[in-house]
Amino acid sequence: KAGVTQTPRYLIKTRGQQVTLSCSPISGHRSVSWYQQTPGQGLQFLFEYFSETQRNKGNFPGRFSGRQFSNSRSEMNVSTLELGDSALYLCASSLGGRDTQYFGPGTRLTVL
Amino acid sequence: AQSVAQPEDQVNVAEGNPLTVKCTYSVSGNPYLFWYVQYPNRGLQFLLKYITGDNLVKGSYGFEAEFNKSQTSFHLKKPSALVSDSALYFCAVRDGILTGGGNKLTFGTGTQLKVEL
Repeated sequence: KAGVTQTPRYLIKTRGQQVTLSCSPISGHRSVSWYQQTPGQGLQFLFEYFSETQRNKGNFPGRFSGRQFSNSRSEMNVSTLELGDSALYLCASSLGGRDTQYFGPGTRLTVL
Repeated sequence: AQSVAQPEDQVNVAEGNPLTVKCTYSVSGNPYLFWYVQYPNRGLQFLLKYITGDNLVKGSYGFEAEFNKSQTSFHLKKPSALVSDSALYFCAVRDGILTGGGNKLTFGTGTQLKVEL
């Protein structure tokens, strides 16, 4: 069974731009969560989707948003990029709403 | 709020020796604890979890973890370390049902394990 896939793997943007990251969960998984990883703040929870509904949201500004589609694929969007948004963005999927999460390889976003 | 602490930024061990990576937790209610490993430029790989039951949990790649309720600890162990075990290890706790449910993980700061020949 294929693992969690994330596209693109690397992305370079400039301040003020917006970006959309994509995540395809493991087949059959209905829950998708997003995390941001930076050297300074570590791993921080962004949001969680289950059956197309946002179930949980971390402490991030409204510039960070996401959605989940009927096939469980998920996207996250960051608008008006700031230098501090440079990070590794990790997506994780789980079978149900409280099962083990399996992570994708991440998208490395660099904001110049 | 749920939290985990990893008191060591780095652990060094010789190949063939046992290794321990420490984690302590603070939760309200029953703890749901996880260990993940991250290799350079990769995502996180699941190693093992404690939900309930036996205090010694066995996981992938020969790793195991010992849950100790009185010491609120969940240390990761391996009897014989390999150079290929060198990586960044994260302990995590999942939000309990009483704190709103969901599948949110709160991670520790990570411990860099270095296994040398």
